[in-house]
Amino acid sequence: QVQLQESGPGLVKPSETLSLTCSVSGYSINSGYYWGWIRQPPGKGLEWIGNIYHAGNTYYNSSLRSRVTISIDTSKNQFSLKLSSVTAADTAVFYCARLGGYGGGWSLTYWGQGILVTVSS
Amino acid sequence: QSALTQPRSVSGSPGQSVTISCTGTRSDVGGFDYVSWYQQHPGKAPKFIIYDVNKRPSGVPDRFSGSKSGNTASLTISGLQPEDEADYYCCSYRATYTLVFGGGTKLTVL
Repeated sequence: QVQLQESGPGLVKPSETLSLTCSVSGYSINSGYYWGWIRQPPGKGLEWIGNIYHAGNTYYNSSLRSRVTISIDTSKNQFSLKLSSVTAADTAVFYCARLGGYGGGWSLTYWGQGILVTVSS
Repeated sequence: QSALTQPRSVSGSPGQSVTISCTGTRSDVGGFDYVSWYQQHPGKAPKFIIYDVNKRPSGVPDRFSGSKSGNTASLTISGLQPEDEADYYCCSYRATYTLVFGGGTKLTVL
């Protein structure tokens, strides 16, 4: 059973960098698939942030590309998100997820439980 | 990156059917058969219920079905049950390995 778990600070100051890690169990990241980050501001909808392939190729939401970096550490079976120059508008629940395993491979089939990150001084 | 367009809310009585639409463009919904749907209960992570427009993963009741016509995808829930009350999101592949979500639809079971 594939399981994902987000971790990181729940509070980040404005203008700083938000850093989160997703730990994966039940599957080796090195074996394949895309891995992604999604966020959800309080009371609002889901927003795709970006994906990373197990080989390290990254793809980002164009509206966030200048501030986002997603990386992967296959030795730890983890992947990470960095979002720089955050403002209050970046306050959200952040989810990590695995794509694929069904059909064409572009559905988000496994999700973490989510972590609330608040941007405030 | 514009989101896909969904109605903000729909409602139905137990046993009835409801359909949620998801409108995009030729660059996403209309261009690829990679539309997925997610159900989210309050305070919970989304759960995927439809992939590749109209396929159900194991464990999802056959009351949930998906379809697509042109640039609009649809999720139909038949035989509504109280536990179907949730938010529903569509998601589509958009060229060059990116994804885009719909704004979400709140389903109320009356």
